Amino acid sequence: GNSVTQMEGPVTLSEEAFLTINCTYTATGYPSLFWYVQYPGEGLQLLLKATKADDKGSNKGFEATYRKETTSFHLEKGSVQVSDSAVYFCALGEGFNKFYFGSGTKLNVKP
Amino acid sequence: EAGVTQFPSHSVIEKGQTVTLRCDPISGHDNLYWYRRVMGKEIKFLLHFVKESKQDESGMPNNRFLAERTGGTYSTLKVQPAELEDSGVYFCASSRAGNEKLFFGSGTQLSVL
Repeated sequence: GNSVTQMEGPVTLSEEAFLTINCTYTATGYPSLFWYVQYPGEGLQLLLKATKADDKGSNKGFEATYRKETTSFHLEKGSVQVSDSAVYFCALGEGFNKFYFGSGTKLNVKP
Repeated sequence: EAGVTQFPSHSVIEKGQTVTLRCDPISGHDNLYWYRRVMGKEIKFLLHFVKESKQDESGMPNNRFLAERTGGTYSTLKVQPAELEDSGVYFCASSRAGNEKLFFGSGTQLSVL
């Protein structure tokens, strides 16, 4: 079946540090992969996505590459800001908006 | 445009009681989804409506959960009777078409004591 595993948090970084949040998946077929972000008090928002192997999704300085050979979709950002503090969810999409989410990784960025 | 709205934002009830959660999707969005996050773990799919019809309810945990979407507008999710393990955050989401961008509400935090 489909599942997503992402690194446990919380992750605490200083401003301008490099961020990596690991995500691996198990899937039947060829799913699309997503990163969602939840800021405090808000709903989940789509951060980026990739629809096929070797695609790179990017948005707001964040990037993730769909690696079929390692079944991974790690999230990276070169220089985090305090405003990036949030919970990040890796997800695998099946069919019509049916997602399998990871358990979320809380990121705290300190000034 | 208004986003996906969920009521209440928080609910605290005792085991055995009934709770009803409401979701108002974005106007014009035929597709409505319920997800939940239990114990700070992964967010899990519960079900998917297309207008007033249940397209996929494979994630509903048991028959204590009843979802409705009369008239194809807002949706309710009733838990009766609530159990301790039902505690968590219930998210609603909507999209115009099934393969278009999904918009999430901010969730209802349910605590069953």
